[in-house]
Amino acid sequence: KAGVTQTPRYLIKTRGQQVTLSCSPISGHRSVSWYQQTPGQGLQFLFEYFSETQRNKGNFPGRFSGRQFSNSRSEMNVSTLELGDSALYLCASSLNRDRGSPLHFGNGTRLTVT
Amino acid sequence: GNSVTQMEGPVTLSEEAFLTINCTYTATGYPSLFWYVQYPGEGLQLLLKATKADDKGSNKGFEATYRKETTSFHLEKGSVQVSDSAVYFCARDNGGSQGNLIFGKGTKLSVKP
Repeated sequence: KAGVTQTPRYLIKTRGQQVTLSCSPISGHRSVSWYQQTPGQGLQFLFEYFSETQRNKGNFPGRFSGRQFSNSRSEMNVSTLELGDSALYLCASSLNRDRGSPLHFGNGTRLTVT
Repeated sequence: GNSVTQMEGPVTLSEEAFLTINCTYTATGYPSLFWYVQYPGEGLQLLLKATKADDKGSNKGFEATYRKETTSFHLEKGSVQVSDSAVYFCARDNGGSQGNLIFGKGTKLSVKP
């Protein structure tokens, strides 16, 4: 079974631009979550989607948005990029939202904002 | 608010040494607890989990016990290998949402032959 696939693997953007990151969950998984990983702040939750609906949102500005499609694939978008948005963005999927349901992470998209 | 605190690294051990990485969580509710591991250049992988008090999670020789009285979930392994070198993250769910995890800062483990 294929794991969580994130594309692209690396991105370099300029301040002020926008970016879209893509995530394909494990087949059959309906829940997708996104995290930002930086050396200073560690892993921080961005959002969680289930059945095309955003279920939870972390403490990030409105420039960060996401969506989930009917096939459970998900995208996240960051508009008006800032230098501080440089990070590893991780997508994770799980079969459902049951207690203890483990997250399966992709290898991430490394975003560099210059 | 909810939080997770784990010991600062890096931790350097010799092969076959005993490993303990401490992790404590804030006691809001009865969260599910997890240990994830991240190898260089990769995403996180679930190592083990526990969903209720006194549960012991175990995998690949690693163990952690859900201690409600001390709000702890310390990771242990009796004999580490070079291949265990990685960053280890302790995590709890946030308000019962399994997709929304709160992670500790991570502990980098280096095992020398």
